[in-house]
Amino acid sequence: EAGVAQSPRYKIIEKRQSVAFWCNPISGHATLYWYQQILGQGPKLLIQFQNNGVVDDSQLPKDRFSAERLKGVDSTLKIQPAKLEDSAVYLCASSLWAGGSYEQYFGPGTRLTVT
Amino acid sequence: AQTVTQSQPEMSVQEAETVTLSCTYDTSENNYYLFWYKQPPSRQMILVIRQEAYKQQNATENRFSVNFQKAAKSFSLKISDSQLGDTAMYFCAFMNGGTYKYIFGTGTRLKVLA
Repeated sequence: EAGVAQSPRYKIIEKRQSVAFWCNPISGHATLYWYQQILGQGPKLLIQFQNNGVVDDSQLPKDRFSAERLKGVDSTLKIQPAKLEDSAVYLCASSLWAGGSYEQYFGPGTRLTVT
Repeated sequence: AQTVTQSQPEMSVQEAETVTLSCTYDTSENNYYLFWYKQPPSRQMILVIRQEAYKQQNATENRFSVNFQKAAKSFSLKISDSQLGDTAMYFCAFMNGGTYKYIFGTGTRLKVLA
């Protein structure tokens, strides 16, 4: 089966610019997660979707970050305007949550550098 | 709120030797799952092993096993017969069984030496 796809893989922008990341989860996976992973740290959950509804966005900086999941499948994460501290790898993961399968499958991530 | 603590930022082990990575967590939940994920350099995160909190038996996957001490809220990972390909960041993760929300530790960088 195809894995979690993310694009772009790398992005360099200047502060105050906007950027968008795209994620396509594994087919049939109902739960989708966006994480921010700063260098040397563990992933921090930004937002969690169940189908196309938001389950948890308590750590999403809503003044600059937004996310949506279209028709319960693909998802986009946007940052506008970007700050230097947003430099990180943005990971997308998905889970099936059926038949005892509750592990997350991760995409390759998007490495964002804000200059 | 749940927390996950990995107290060993870096570790090294000789090839073919055994190493144990530590993880402690804090929660008041009864329904949860614990995971170890591996993130090789410049590669994506993959699952190593998982443990359901309601199971007393420690999980095992080939060379990887856990020591799950529920009362102590401890979840360590033992890697036997270490291989060069085991070099990676290892993250301990807690998942709330009701909300499916994950919390990750800060990671342990493991280096296997030839």
